[in-house]
Amino acid sequence: AQRVTQPEKLLSVFKGAPVELKCNYSYSGSPELFWYVQYSRQRLQLLLRHISRESIKGFTADLNKGETSFHLKKPFAQEEDSAMYYCALSRAYSGAGSYQLTFGKGTKLSVIP
Amino acid sequence: NAGVTQTPKFRVLKTGQSMTLLCAQDMNHEYMYWYRQDPGMGLRLIHYSVGEGTTAKGEVPDGYNVSRLKKQNFLLGLESAAPSQTSVYFCASSHDRGRPMNTEAFFGQGTRLTVV
Repeated sequence: AQRVTQPEKLLSVFKGAPVELKCNYSYSGSPELFWYVQYSRQRLQLLLRHISRESIKGFTADLNKGETSFHLKKPFAQEEDSAMYYCALSRAYSGAGSYQLTFGKGTKLSVIP
Repeated sequence: NAGVTQTPKFRVLKTGQSMTLLCAQDMNHEYMYWYRQDPGMGLRLIHYSVGEGTTAKGEVPDGYNVSRLKKQNFLLGLESAAPSQTSVYFCASSHDRGRPMNTEAFFGQGTRLTVV
């Protein structure tokens, strides 16, 4: 079964420290991977996607097909990075000719001043 | 730019009552989705729609029904609410460009539902 695993429910780091939010996936085909973020009292929004190979708000994520991982990294955490982060994988939804976005359980990042 | 709008934002239901959650998007998106968010469970897909007049089951469809009579609206119904349906519900929409989920999914602000 296709699955997204975020092993940490909560990650606390000090301001200025490096951040790494882990995401592992299982998928038999070629995955499309995303990171979504939910700030306090705000809606979920796309942070970045692997195909763009972009850096957003200082965050980067590299798809490692050998390790089936898509970890989110930032060299220096800021207080405004405190939020809930979700890793997501898109796949074909069997029998429907459609595509489904499957989410991990999320990691709450808390940046300590 | 309204984007994706959900109504209501909050609701308390008694067990056995029914209600409908409305999702409206003004981006002319073909795909629309309903998720529920529970602590420690992440987001789980309830139902989705790939176009007007079409719906399909997601990961946790039991106890819910949906309708997509108009392209811009996606309704989620609870016929007989149960305490297990206490959750935060999110609607999302996206384009269909051959690989639709390769594009960004836009989310509503959520509906917090409590069933007592």
